[in-house]
Amino acid sequence: AQTVTQSQPEMSVQEAETVTLSCTYDTSESDYYLFWYKQPPSRQMILVIRQEAYKQQNATENRFSVNFQKAAKSFSLKISDSQLGDAAMYFCAYRSSILGTYKYIFGTGTRLKVLA
Amino acid sequence: KAGVTQTPRYLIKTRGQQVTLSCSPISGHRSVSWYQQTPGQGLQFLFEYFSETQRNKGNFPGRFSGRQFSNSRSEMNVSTLELGDSALYLCASSLVANLGSRTKQYFGPGTRLTVT
Repeated sequence: AQTVTQSQPEMSVQEAETVTLSCTYDTSESDYYLFWYKQPPSRQMILVIRQEAYKQQNATENRFSVNFQKAAKSFSLKISDSQLGDAAMYFCAYRSSILGTYKYIFGTGTRLKVLA
Repeated sequence: KAGVTQTPRYLIKTRGQQVTLSCSPISGHRSVSWYQQTPGQGLQFLFEYFSETQRNKGNFPGRFSGRQFSNSRSEMNVSTLELGDSALYLCASSLVANLGSRTKQYFGPGTRLTVT
């Protein structure tokens, strides 16, 4: 069965600094998607970035980038130039690409605090 | 463009009752997915609809059901409520069901259900 593990319950970063959130997953599938979601105190979930497993190039979205290591089943999120608005819960998620019976698994989340 | 709306925002029900939650996607979006968030189980995928058809379903009992209408609005129903059904229920919409190819996914603010 697929699993997603976020081993850092909480992390802190100084404003303008860089932070990396870790995520590992386990799957026997070869094709899948990985996501990072942000949930600020308002609880409204935001899709931050996604990675298709068949793409070797790491995804980037402005200050957010991932380090996708398929063989190691690792998918970390790097936030550059951290801002106060980045403070939130971050969830890593796995979704297989097989429609109809796909699994959609979320990690337990990492709470990111941004210090002024 | 209006965002994803969920009604009601807050709901209190008694064990054994049933409840219906509504989600109106962004105009033009045909895919709606539902998630349950609890302190104990975290984030879990419930189901996904596209063009009035259920495309995928998470591992939830048959008490949880949903549907999508021709205008893409979706409802989810929980019958015979249990205390453990107390949760934040999130819905998200996207143009298509496949979240690859840079398809954007937008979440609603959620419905907070409390079962007493």
